[in-house]
Amino acid sequence: NAGVTQTPKFRILKIGQSMTLQCTQDMNHNYMYWYRQDPGMGLKLIYYSVGAGITDKGEVPNGYNVSRSTTEDFPLRLELAAPSQTSVYFCASSDSSGANVLTFGAGSRLTVL
Amino acid sequence: AQSVTQPDIHITVSEGASLELRCNYSYGATPYLFWYVQSPGQGLQLLLKYFSGDTLVQGIKGFEAEFKRSQSSFNLRKPSVHWSDAAEYFCAVGSSGGSYIPTFGRGTSLIVHP
Repeated sequence: NAGVTQTPKFRILKIGQSMTLQCTQDMNHNYMYWYRQDPGMGLKLIYYSVGAGITDKGEVPNGYNVSRSTTEDFPLRLELAAPSQTSVYFCASSDSSGANVLTFGAGSRLTVL
Repeated sequence: AQSVTQPDIHITVSEGASLELRCNYSYGATPYLFWYVQSPGQGLQLLLKYFSGDTLVQGIKGFEAEFKRSQSSFNLRKPSVHWSDAAEYFCAVGSSGGSYIPTFGRGTSLIVHP
């Protein structure tokens, strides 16, 4: 019963490098989300998906891309890393009941130097 | 648009004391309301939720919250705090009208003194 799994847990990038944060869930949830968390700022929605093949921008999408080829996976890609992308990233999922109850992964701490 | 305000950035209490964390929301219709807890280095975990019915809801770890429509509030309470309750607490509001994107407050950091 893994829930939402994120990898890696920690990563240091140099400015301009690219990387993908992986997220997978085993609950057959249709809805998946990527948030970033910065100190004192709460959670900001980056991208979300309501099902395989469907993605949409959240509040802070610039500098990121996502894809949703399967129900289980929702990777987040950083194409040209910038120091402003230093943050903790959380993936989450929810079912289609409309209840908005999110299950979160443990987070990925990214530092861009 | 829906929004959530958690007016307290930090709250400090002594172990064994009572706790109340404030949450105010803005939403046009009947909201879905949530409290999540984040322990250091962990993801967020659902403490409790309100969808409808009884306005006093019970959650895990001895927490409860009361929905007050007239005050647009959903404050979290616990009668006696334990040192292990030290964490970040997030209030969130979701839509009963079909949107699946909850909005989170900025969080309240709870510090527990022995």
